[in-house]
Amino acid sequence: NAGVTQTPKFRVLKTGQSMTLLCAQDMNHEYMYWYRQDPGMGLRLIHYSVGEGTTAKGEVPDGYNVSRLKKQNFLLGLESAAPSQTSVYFCASRYRQGPYEQYFGPGTRLTVT
Amino acid sequence: AQSVTQLDSQVPVFEEAPVELRCNYSSSVSVYLFWYVQYPNQGLQLLLKYLSGSTLVESINGFEAEFNKSQTSFHLRKPSVHISDTAEYFCAVNVGAGTASKLTFGTGTRLQVTL
Repeated sequence: NAGVTQTPKFRVLKTGQSMTLLCAQDMNHEYMYWYRQDPGMGLRLIHYSVGEGTTAKGEVPDGYNVSRLKKQNFLLGLESAAPSQTSVYFCASRYRQGPYEQYFGPGTRLTVT
Repeated sequence: AQSVTQLDSQVPVFEEAPVELRCNYSSSVSVYLFWYVQYPNQGLQLLLKYLSGSTLVESINGFEAEFNKSQTSFHLRKPSVHISDTAEYFCAVNVGAGTASKLTFGTGTRLQVTL
């Protein structure tokens, strides 16, 4: 099993450009999450999904959109990138039932200039 | 809302010395507690977890953490660290059930092990 994979690993955008980050998991997990990691701030939840076709806002959702058309995939979109969105983005997934531990992807390092 | 506090942003330690990474949480209800480790340029990996039962939990690489309900703490310890333990460590708490359950992370502690 590949676990949780993220595409791409690195990306540089200019302000105002758009892009989509792809997260895929092969563990048949129901729940999926997108986080951003910034120095000194830990991980902050952007959006999450509790099932195919459903999404919800997390702690820092502004400037991002998500879609979960298939159970195994969770997409994070930036419609108009801003320098404040320079960060490392992590996707995670877990089973619907406990014990609630999340499995993380390797991350995408995004720089917006 | 629950929060997680990791008081030390960085902990330098010599190899073979003991180490304790502190974690406190705020919650008035039952919680599940986790420690994750992040090696450089990698994602987070689960190190250990407390769900219920024995308050002392152990990982396969010698770390242990003790759940202390009265002090709302879940400190991580290792009696003798190795160079390969150099990483960032995150404490996390899960509160709630079903679709409402989410993890809240602390800001992380960078453990730097030197010779």
